[in-house]
Amino acid sequence: GNSVTQMEGPVTLSEEAFLTINCTYTATGYPSLFWYVQYPGEGLQLLLKATKADDKGSNKGFEATYRKETTSFHLEKGSVQVSDSAVYFCALGTNAGKSTFGDGTTLTVKP
Amino acid sequence: GAVVSQHPSWVICKSGTSVKIECRSLDFQATTMFWYRQFPKQSLMLMATSNEGSKATYEQGVEKDKFLINHASLTLSTLTVTSAHPEDSSFYICSARGSQNQNYGYTFGSGTRLTVV
Repeated sequence: GNSVTQMEGPVTLSEEAFLTINCTYTATGYPSLFWYVQYPGEGLQLLLKATKADDKGSNKGFEATYRKETTSFHLEKGSVQVSDSAVYFCALGTNAGKSTFGDGTTLTVKP
Repeated sequence: GAVVSQHPSWVICKSGTSVKIECRSLDFQATTMFWYRQFPKQSLMLMATSNEGSKATYEQGVEKDKFLINHASLTLSTLTVTSAHPEDSSFYICSARGSQNQNYGYTFGSGTRLTVV
C-alpha cells in the first residue's frame, strides 16, 4: 500500500534559519505529492503541491521538488519566521482521491 | 475557488448522545468526500470515502454503525457520531474531490473538534 515517511520532530530553529523537512514515500502508480500546514487548533491548509516527477511546488517561500528517483518530496525554506511555527504534513494523493499522510513535523521558530 | 466548509468547528456533547458534522463544497460539485480523524498530536487517518448517492466505504477498523456517513447531494456530506463516548473525542476533517477531477489537490475543511464528556 501507499505510505509516507516524514522526518521526526519536533524541529526548533531560530528566525532566519534554513529549514528542511524530509519526506519520502512509497506508492503504486503516479501519485501527486502535497505539503499541508496546520496551525494550532485549526484545520489543514494546502501549502504546496506537485503532480508529476520533477515538478517543483512553491508557496510563501517554501519549496519542494517531486523526485521520483529518490521517492522524495523534501520541504525547504531559506529563511523561516516565527509565524511559520506549525505542524507540517507531507501527503500523497491518488487519482481515486484518497490521501495518505505522514506523521507530521512540529516546527517551532524562536525569535 | 475549491472551498470546503465544515460545521461546526467545535462541539461538546454528553456521552450517549449523537453529533452530526457537515461538510459542504461551496463552489464546486463534490462527487467524492473523505472523512479523516486526527488524534491529538498524531496524523490524519482516513475513516471513510463517501460517494454521492451511494453507501460510504469504510476503512478497516472503523465502525460503520458508530460513524454514519450520508452524501445525499453533490455539495453535502454528513458524518454522524452515534452514541458518542469520550474515546470518540477527536478532530474530524473532511476533504472533497470534484466531479471533473479539478480538485485533485484535495481541499480540506477546517475541521471539527469533538469533545465528549
